Amino acid sequence: AQKVTQAQTEISVVEKEDVTLDCVYETRDTTYYLFWYKQPPSGELVFLIRRNSFDEQNEISGRYSWNFQKSTSSFNFTITASQVVDSAVYFCALSEVGGGAQKLVFGQGTRLTINP
Amino acid sequence: NAGVTQTPKFQVLKTGQSMTLQCAQDMNHEYMSWYRQDPGMGLRLIHYSVGAGITDQGEVPNGYNVSRSTTEDFPLRLLSAAPSQTSVYFCASRRDPVGSYEQYFGPGTRLTVT
Repeated sequence: AQKVTQAQTEISVVEKEDVTLDCVYETRDTTYYLFWYKQPPSGELVFLIRRNSFDEQNEISGRYSWNFQKSTSSFNFTITASQVVDSAVYFCALSEVGGGAQKLVFGQGTRLTINP
Repeated sequence: NAGVTQTPKFQVLKTGQSMTLQCAQDMNHEYMSWYRQDPGMGLRLIHYSVGAGITDQGEVPNGYNVSRSTTEDFPLRLLSAAPSQTSVYFCASRRDPVGSYEQYFGPGTRLTVT
């Protein structure tokens, strides 16, 4: 069965610090997709990134970077030089392709607070 | 292009009342779904649809009904509201039914059942 674990419930850092949000997943499929979503205080869910199971290249987008390691079943998210606007709840999610493809399974989320 | 829209934004119900949460998307997406978000539990799938006329249950379907008569609309019905259904409800859509693409979420409906 699919499972996503975000062990860090809350993280608080001072602005300009780097911060890494951990995501560990479980799946029996060889083909799957991983996602990160951001939920700012306003409540909407914003898509950040999608990664398929065959692409282990790290991704960088501005101050955001993602490290996908199949060997440890992890898909971690790093924010470099954090800013107050990065304060949000971040969700990691997993989608299997195939019989379980209809379900996007979310982790419990990590609440990130960036203090000025 | 409005994306995914949900109405209402807020709702208070008394136990036993019924209501329908509306969801619409204008992206011609085949796949639509409903999630509920509760503190500390992430988002959990209630029902989903892979196209007009096709619906199926997710992880927490009890107490909810759905139908999909058009590609655009996917309403969620609470037949007899219970306090345990107090939650934030999100509707989402995705361009493919398979699961390889990201889902786009509506702004959410905050429901309180007293």
